[in-house]
Amino acid sequence: QKEVEQNSGPLSVPEGAIASLNCTYSDRVSQSFFWYRQYSGKSPELIMSIYSNGDKEDGRFTAQLNKASQYVSLLIRDSQPSDSATYLCAVNTGNQFYFGTGTSLTVIP
Amino acid sequence: ETGVTQSPTHLIKTRGQQVTLRCSSQSGHNTVSWYQQALGQGPQFIFQYYREEENGRGNFPPRFSGLQFPNYSSELNVNALELDDSALYLCASSLVQGEETQYFGPGTRLLVL
Repeated sequence: QKEVEQNSGPLSVPEGAIASLNCTYSDRVSQSFFWYRQYSGKSPELIMSIYSNGDKEDGRFTAQLNKASQYVSLLIRDSQPSDSATYLCAVNTGNQFYFGTGTSLTVIP
Repeated sequence: ETGVTQSPTHLIKTRGQQVTLRCSSQSGHNTVSWYQQALGQGPQFIFQYYREEENGRGNFPPRFSGLQFPNYSSELNVNALELDDSALYLCASSLVQGEETQYFGPGTRLLVL
C-alpha cells in the first residue's frame, strides 16, 4: 500500500466550475498536509498547507482534512484554464514527506 | 520564485559515470531535502539534511549521497549512474525540521544514456 494515494485522473472541468481533488494517506502519525501544483516541466509550487481537521480557505482554494478517515481534499472554485496542471498531495510524517503521484486537471475554456 | 536555486538545469551523463547536483537554500532555511521525480510520478524522498547532518533517508541505495555546507547549501552525489536514474532531481528547503513547509527549487533534469 502506498503511503499517499491520489486518483491520477485526468480530471476535466469546464471553466468556472468546481474542481475536487482527493487524497488518502496510510500513516496515522502524519502531522501536516500539503497541496502542491506542478505545471509540465516545472517544479512543484505550494498552494495550501493544513494541519488541523476541518476546512481551510485561501482565495479560490479550500483544503479539507479528516484525520479519522485519513483523507485530504482540495476544492478549486471558479476554475480557470490557468489552473490546468498536476496537483500533488504531500504528507509529512515528521522527518519525511511522502507525495502522491498527482492528479492531472484540465480546465476547459 | 521560492529563492531556492539549483544547478545545473540539465545534464546528460552515460551509464557508470558520477554526477554532482547543487542546491542553494532559501535565505534563513537550515533544512534541505532532495527528491527524485521520474516522469509521471510524484517526487520520491531521497534524504534530508539539517545543520549539516543527514536527518532521514528514503529507500535509495548508498550510491546516492549528499552533503550540506555551513551556509546550508547542499550537494547530491550519485555514483555508478544507471539508466533508471534519469529523472528530475528536486531540492527543497525549509526553515526547520518537522512540519514546516518545503519550498522547491526549479530542479535539475538528468538524462543517463
